[in-house]
Amino acid sequence: QLQLQESGPGLVKPSETLSLTCTVSGGSISDSSYYWGWIRQPPGKGLEWIGTIYSGGRTYTFYNSSLKSRVTISIDTSRNQFSLKLNSVTAADTAIYYCARHRCTSTSCPFDYWGQGTLVTVSS
Amino acid sequence: QSALTQAPSASGSPGQSVTISCTGTSSDVGGYNYVSWYQQHPGKAPKLMIYEVSKRPSGVPDRFSGSKSGNTASLTVSGLQAEDEADYFCSSYGGGDNFVVFGGGTKLTVL
Repeated sequence: QLQLQESGPGLVKPSETLSLTCTVSGGSISDSSYYWGWIRQPPGKGLEWIGTIYSGGRTYTFYNSSLKSRVTISIDTSRNQFSLKLNSVTAADTAIYYCARHRCTSTSCPFDYWGQGTLVTVSS
Repeated sequence: QSALTQAPSASGSPGQSVTISCTGTSSDVGGYNYVSWYQQHPGKAPKLMIYEVSKRPSGVPDRFSGSKSGNTASLTVSGLQAEDEADYFCSSYGGGDNFVVFGGGTKLTVL
């Protein structure tokens, strides 16, 4: 059974960089059938896609255009992990951050497995 | 503001059917069959309920069904049960670099 687990600081100061890692177990992050994504959810609000990475040979990244200038997603296939960095954070970046797997075909690309989520609060 | 529009709430009595809508544009919902629906109970991660407009992953009850007409996708929950009370989010391929766009979510209440 595939499992994803987010890890990282739960508190980040304004203007600093939020860093999270997603550890994948029960499957290979290099599997060419899958993409790997980050999604966030401010408390009591809706879901926002942050970005996605694919590493089935060459590495490709896709970012939400509204966050693109502040986001970097990377992958470490040797550790079966992928990571999120969001810089210059403000209180508006306070949210539950989820990592998830996209199961992509030519006609669909849904998130079929999710981590449990981790709350990151931006506050001094 | 979310890219896809959902009504904030919906409700129905046990045994009834409820339909939740998700409206986008010809650049996302209307242009592709990449529509998915997620169920989220309080304090839990979202769960995939429908993908590719109308397909159900293994283990999802056939009480859940999806459809699309033009720029609007719909999720129908038939034979409502108490455990169906949750938030439901739609998503679609957004075109270009916007790999994924979500709706704002609909809170389904089972009366």
